[in-house]
Amino acid sequence: GEQVEQLPSILRVQEGSSASINCTYENSASNYFPWYKQEPGENPKLIIDIRSNMERKQTQGLIVLLDKKAKRFSLHITDTQPGDSAMYFCAASSNTNKVVFGTGTRLQVLP
Amino acid sequence: DMKVTQMPRYLIKRMGENVLLECGQDMSHETMYWYRQDPGLGLQLIYISYDVDSNSEGDIPKGYRVSRKKREHFSLILDSAKTNQTSVYFCASSSLGNYAEQFFGPGTRLTVL
Repeated sequence: GEQVEQLPSILRVQEGSSASINCTYENSASNYFPWYKQEPGENPKLIIDIRSNMERKQTQGLIVLLDKKAKRFSLHITDTQPGDSAMYFCAASSNTNKVVFGTGTRLQVLP
Repeated sequence: DMKVTQMPRYLIKRMGENVLLECGQDMSHETMYWYRQDPGLGLQLIYISYDVDSNSEGDIPKGYRVSRKKREHFSLILDSAKTNQTSVYFCASSSLGNYAEQFFGPGTRLTVL
């Protein structure tokens, strides 16, 4: 199985609150989990990633958690701002350079 | 300046016509990809290329073929386009290695009438 499930598909939060996106994967050989942000009309860009030898990674208001036993990983955006409004994709990769993407979460940060 | 380029950016074709989408990168990346993006379906891998003339099918290769004759160029070809191939197509590239970041091009919006 190579599917990556991503929820929710739409997420609306108030400015200043936190936002969480959850993903699950099937392939137990997956060892790399990047997150991409896509602004309207733009291309996806890598914002943070985590390798399977880590459980938590944090950078600039973004936190990624990985639970390998449950095959689950998540992105948490703290203190959301209007500039965080975008489409977010999780992804999972094993040792083949082939990356399987989730179906995306549209985050809307409300003023 | 690290860049992935795509041409054309917008294309309208009639059903049954042939379509050529071009992608270039200036980072000497070995690996290149073609994805299509549709609402609710995310990014679906059409083909992956590991180097010149070393191409593999992705998850949805039917109706598409690719060509990679130079490391910096990767083409996607639709022979006899169908209306359900209307989509936004993204090219991406990355270096070899499992933890390599993918760099995406700006996308091509293809409409097949």
